[in-house]
Amino acid sequence: EPEVTQTPSHQVTQMGQEVILRCVPISNHLYFYWYRQILGQKVEFLVSFYNNEISEKSEIFDDQFSVERPDGSNFTLKIRSTKLEDSAMYFCASSEARGSGANVLTFGAGSRLTVL
Amino acid sequence: AQKITQTQPGMFVQEKEAVTLDCTYDTSDPSYGLFWYKQPSSGEMIFLIYQGSYDQQNATEGRYSLNFQKARKSANLVISASQLGDSAMYFCAMRERVTGGGNKLTFGTGTQLKVEL
Repeated sequence: EPEVTQTPSHQVTQMGQEVILRCVPISNHLYFYWYRQILGQKVEFLVSFYNNEISEKSEIFDDQFSVERPDGSNFTLKIRSTKLEDSAMYFCASSEARGSGANVLTFGAGSRLTVL
Repeated sequence: AQKITQTQPGMFVQEKEAVTLDCTYDTSDPSYGLFWYKQPSSGEMIFLIYQGSYDQQNATEGRYSLNFQKARKSANLVISASQLGDSAMYFCAMRERVTGGGNKLTFGTGTQLKVEL
């Protein structure tokens, strides 16, 4: 079964460092998303991406965050200068563009970010 | 704004019994979708079931069924014949359309289900 893959599974970084989280969405999906889950809390929407641009972003997704699709397969989330409160599980997701599959987001296994 | 409420922080069920996880929602959008995701202790988010607001029948996927009561704005998940592997956190979520296409999910706070022998 097709899946969304994320790397790294766990990253530890120092406060102020830049972090890039990588995702390979399902190949025929055209919408891509990042969500995050602070430990013990609910999953929160960060950003959606379509046709090489951001289609919507939340208040959490400030200037410290950016997303990019550098090639035909990868979708990345960059945090420029990490803060302690960026420690969370970051989920990448993707969905189809049309049909019933367009309603369902398939999530990756997550990248756990720990900022020290 | 959309809102999802899960009032059961934790639930216990005996193996092979059925269990219902509650979810209520609020939205002003006439077109919406409701999801249930499972999150085991390993952390990944696993899609279980989807119900569209215009779907006439309640969604079912194997042992999972969604008891959709539109007038009451509830979308409860029913798991039949519980198994030990069902022990996990369960999230209810609602889809709203994103300008430019795609979907944005608003999640509830989750229900931790423990299946006991």
